[in-house]
Amino acid sequence: DGGITQSPKYLFRKEGQNVTLSCEQNLNHDAMYWYRQDPGQGLRLIYYSQIVNDFQKGDIAEGYSVSREKKESFPLTVTSAQKNPTAFYLCASSPPQINQPQHFGDGTRLSIL
Amino acid sequence: RKEVEQDPGPFNVPEGATVAFNCTYSNSASQSFFWYRQDCRKEPKLLMSVYSSGNEDGRFTAQLNRASQYISLLIRDSKLSDSATYLCVVYNQGGKLIFGQGTELSVKP
Repeated sequence: DGGITQSPKYLFRKEGQNVTLSCEQNLNHDAMYWYRQDPGQGLRLIYYSQIVNDFQKGDIAEGYSVSREKKESFPLTVTSAQKNPTAFYLCASSPPQINQPQHFGDGTRLSIL
Repeated sequence: RKEVEQDPGPFNVPEGATVAFNCTYSNSASQSFFWYRQDCRKEPKLLMSVYSSGNEDGRFTAQLNRASQYISLLIRDSKLSDSATYLCVVYNQGGKLIFGQGTELSVKP
């Protein structure tokens, strides 16, 4: 059953700690994305990757880092430099054809302890 | 001006009502348009792609007006299960999806 798996579903971060959110897809999609959603707000793009070993900053990349060592995986690290990390984080992927809709994982909810 | 702007909502309608959402986009070169549905505390799910000729899927109709740069979503015979936030989404020239802030719909018995 193809899809996008995000883990964990809930995550708590202590002050000064880095945490990593996992995103795995078995849809054979080339492009993968990370978004952040705050209550009552739209989705904002953090990072995206069109191909393995390459990624670009989105609109709000500061305080975050990513890697794309495998096509299936696009982990997001929320670093201690991100001072307001509490949000709903969504990973998405899309096929290589242009202008295709993105498909989302079920999200990770990150909170500060 | 935001790249994608939606009706602010919330829309509170009775079951069986017809409701329409509008969305405007600022980049006239935008090529692809979508409506997503997002339930509370869940991920967005693709509802419809919006084609230039307009398209219909059961009770849902999407239309695109390129000249006026707006997209609409019409829901007929609203069900309780239609209660959700509806996101208007546009591909910009750089190949990135731009999301509207969403319009909340609440269908009451």
